[in-house]
Amino acid sequence: ETVMTQFPATLSVSAGESISLSCRASQSVTDNYLAWYQQKPGQAPRLLIYDASTRATGVPARFSGSGSGTEFTLTITSLQSEDFAVYYCQQYSDWPRTFGQGTKLEI
Amino acid sequence: QVHLVESGGGVVQPGGSLRLSCAASGFTFSNYAIHWVRQAPGKGLEWVALISYDGTIEYFADSVKGRFTISRDNSKNTLSLQMSSLRSEDTALYYCVRDMTGSYDYFDLWGQGTLVTVSS
Repeated sequence: ETVMTQFPATLSVSAGESISLSCRASQSVTDNYLAWYQQKPGQAPRLLIYDASTRATGVPARFSGSGSGTEFTLTITSLQSEDFAVYYCQQYSDWPRTFGQGTKLEI
Repeated sequence: QVHLVESGGGVVQPGGSLRLSCAASGFTFSNYAIHWVRQAPGKGLEWVALISYDGTIEYFADSVKGRFTISRDNSKNTLSLQMSSLRSEDTALYYCVRDMTGSYDYFDLWGQGTLVTVSS
């Protein structure tokens, strides 16, 4: 099983800032088979990024993904108030599909 | 609008059984594999099970293998997760989730979830 580790667990930021969230895999994620999700309180997760760097439909351009192998990054530029949420990474190069434990963005 | 709506959650005693359902609308259900993903209270996401678009392929997480079964009825656009021998660690919000690519990769449509509480 591929264990996904996200850091930091919590990040205190302000609107307008740009930040990067990290996701590390315990083994190489083939073909960059990595997705990012956003979850706001009381809501289901929302797909943001797949294949490590492709934005899902309707996702603003301020969200971008990068990385390869075992190290991946979600970057959010010019944070908006609606971006304060928990972000999860998920690998799909190995069974079972596994998620990181999440990074919470807070004010 | 495309939707997945889960139902069937509730409180059940350890060792008991529960059947969750998922109803799809707004898209061609029979074209998509569907997963169940769960989230324990205040915790992260855990993939639970998958059924292929035609019901011929099923995968389960080791934590539920042998206790959970999955099925679908494409004529009714519905999906079921039969859970038995439930444990306290199965307590979670269970999401019905659409597979985006057909390769059992990532999830582009989520229901709102149904809460399962295993407690005596």
